[in-house]
Amino acid sequence: SQQGEEDPQALSIQEGENATMNCSYKTSINNLQWYRQNSGRGLVHLILIRSNEREKHSGRLRVTLDTSKKSSSLLITASRAADTASYFCALTQGGANSKLTFGKGITLSVRP
Amino acid sequence: GAVVSQHPSRVICKSGTSVKIECRSLDFQATTMFWYRQFPKQSLMLMATSNEGSKATYEQGVEKDKFLINHASLTLSTLTVTSAHPEDSSFYICSANPGTGPHEQYFGPGTRLTVT
Repeated sequence: SQQGEEDPQALSIQEGENATMNCSYKTSINNLQWYRQNSGRGLVHLILIRSNEREKHSGRLRVTLDTSKKSSSLLITASRAADTASYFCALTQGGANSKLTFGKGITLSVRP
Repeated sequence: GAVVSQHPSRVICKSGTSVKIECRSLDFQATTMFWYRQFPKQSLMLMATSNEGSKATYEQGVEKDKFLINHASLTLSTLTVTSAHPEDSSFYICSANPGTGPHEQYFGPGTRLTVT
């Protein structure tokens, strides 16, 4: 399956701590994206990393991609209670309109 | 920019009736839109890819006669759940792809369907 597999499935941390979430996959990809979803809401795009990139930053977010290990990580630094949400990695293989395949998601709880 | 809306946000219908959900790209044109469903605490499962002016492409296991998709314009796609049953109750999310630049999809806020 091309579906990404995130781990851990659930993560609970204290406000101010860093949160690291991982995504592994099985086949080649064009790019990998991370999304956030607040309970009962739509998805918010966080960051996209292409297959030829190794690391990207956006504010408190840092994403790495290791294509040799077929894995990606999302690091949220100095977490806040508002970061509490579900986080999904999503993979694409093909062209501009290729479909996304989502992982099962990680539930992050940040305790104030 | 890149806002996608869905209407309605929440709908309750009786078993056997049909429900239409709209997905609109508000400030860009989308030749391709995607429809997903999500069960509680689970991932998004792609149902179909909607292409403007042509028939939708359905994923394996998704009944095209039950989930009718119409992509009538570059800013509007509709999903109609026909003869709804309680097992169709779910969170339906659409996304739209401008088809340029990175392969980002802009997601709508979702529609919660409850079939009683």
